[in-house]
Amino acid sequence: NAGVTQTPKFQVLKTGQSMTLQCAQDMNHNSMYWYRQDPGMGLRLIYYSASEGTTDKGEVPNGYNVSRLNKREFSLRLESAAPSQTSVYFCASSGQEDTEAFFGQGTRLTVV
Amino acid sequence: AQSVAQPEDQVNVAEGNPLTVKCTYSVSGNPYLFWYVQYPNRGLQFLLKYITGDNLVKGSYGFEAEFNKSQTSFHLKKPSALVSDSALYFCAVRDPNNNAGNMLTFGGGTRLMVKP
Repeated sequence: NAGVTQTPKFQVLKTGQSMTLQCAQDMNHNSMYWYRQDPGMGLRLIYYSASEGTTDKGEVPNGYNVSRLNKREFSLRLESAAPSQTSVYFCASSGQEDTEAFFGQGTRLTVV
Repeated sequence: AQSVAQPEDQVNVAEGNPLTVKCTYSVSGNPYLFWYVQYPNRGLQFLLKYITGDNLVKGSYGFEAEFNKSQTSFHLKKPSALVSDSALYFCAVRDPNNNAGNMLTFGGGTRLMVKP
């Protein structure tokens, strides 16, 4: 039972480079999320997708784009990475609104 | 807008003593509330939730939480702390009346340190 799978686990980028973080879930969940975790800031929502075909901005969407490729996959793209985007990124998914979210193991991204 | 506050960055407790990790929330209607735990270099793990019904909810690893609507709080508790409970704890809220669809908002986290 894989749950939520994120790739890669670690990444170092140079300022200005682009990359895509991949996320897939095998629980048939409608909703998927991308969060970033920074020291002292908790988890902040970047983007979420309430269902296949829809995406919405969260608290900190600037500098990111997302794609809900299908019900299973929700990717996060950094078009031009900046040092301020150094963080740990978590993907999550959830089913009905009264159920808990399940999290991936995280991607530690460093932008130099 | 929905929000969550965890007023303590860190809570220190001796092993065997009771622990409380505080959480307050703000939503427009009746909230769905969750607690998660994060161990070093790991993702978040679900502990317990309040949806409706009994204000005291029990979860994994002996943890429980009490929903208090008048104080808009959902404090996490455990009667007897273990050293292995040392971790980062997050409270989260979902507003079922929010048309944004299932958005889940987290607090800033509280680091729990249990000393032998």
